[in-house]
Amino acid sequence: GQNIDQPTEMTATEGAIVQINCTYQTSGFNGLFWYQQHAGEAPTFLSYNVLDGLEEKGRFSSFLSRSKGYSYLLLKELQMKDSASYLCALSGGGGNKLTFGTGTQLKVEL
Amino acid sequence: DTGVSQDPRHKITKRGQNVTFRCDPISEHNRLYWYRQTLGQGPEFLTYFQNEAQLEKSRLLSDRFSAERPKGSFSTLEIQRTEQGDSAMYLCASSLGGRGDGQPQHFGDGTRLSIL
Repeated sequence: GQNIDQPTEMTATEGAIVQINCTYQTSGFNGLFWYQQHAGEAPTFLSYNVLDGLEEKGRFSSFLSRSKGYSYLLLKELQMKDSASYLCALSGGGGNKLTFGTGTQLKVEL
Repeated sequence: DTGVSQDPRHKITKRGQNVTFRCDPISEHNRLYWYRQTLGQGPEFLTYFQNEAQLEKSRLLSDRFSAERPKGSFSTLEIQRTEQGDSAMYLCASSLGGRGDGQPQHFGDGTRLSIL
């Protein structure tokens, strides 16, 4: 099976940088995805890591270390609209299905 | 690309009734997935289709649940004899399979089911 851990809640200030961590225990996976989900809305794709290292996409970056069972999502220049739940998910198995963590609820304050 | 659409957005029904949800994936996507999400949790995998073939079902999916994708386009998820524990958000996602592992799944806004 797979076990994925994320902090439940985080608070950060507008304009700042925040790092959301994800740790996992698994027998194997293809890649690691990060999704953003606003309340009552669909999860939207943010980033994907298959190899160890950093992937950068604008204000968002994601890092993966397979040997440490660890990933993080880095959000820079925080905006109020970044207040949302951030979901870490491992892909694998038939159809490359996703196994999600419980999500980290980020609140951005003035 | 109009995205993944789900219908209805909300469904309220009495315990014991049958309900059916519909999902229209992104048109060129050959894979379609159903997930269930409860408050404060991440989505949980239920089942997926490659074209019209249902290739995997989670152990979470009791025999009261059935899904179809008859022509490899839209899909339906039916729950028979609904129970209180079925109250959740049902999410549909689609992706391009067979083009590497990095193809993201694109989600619809979900159908929120409330059982009275």
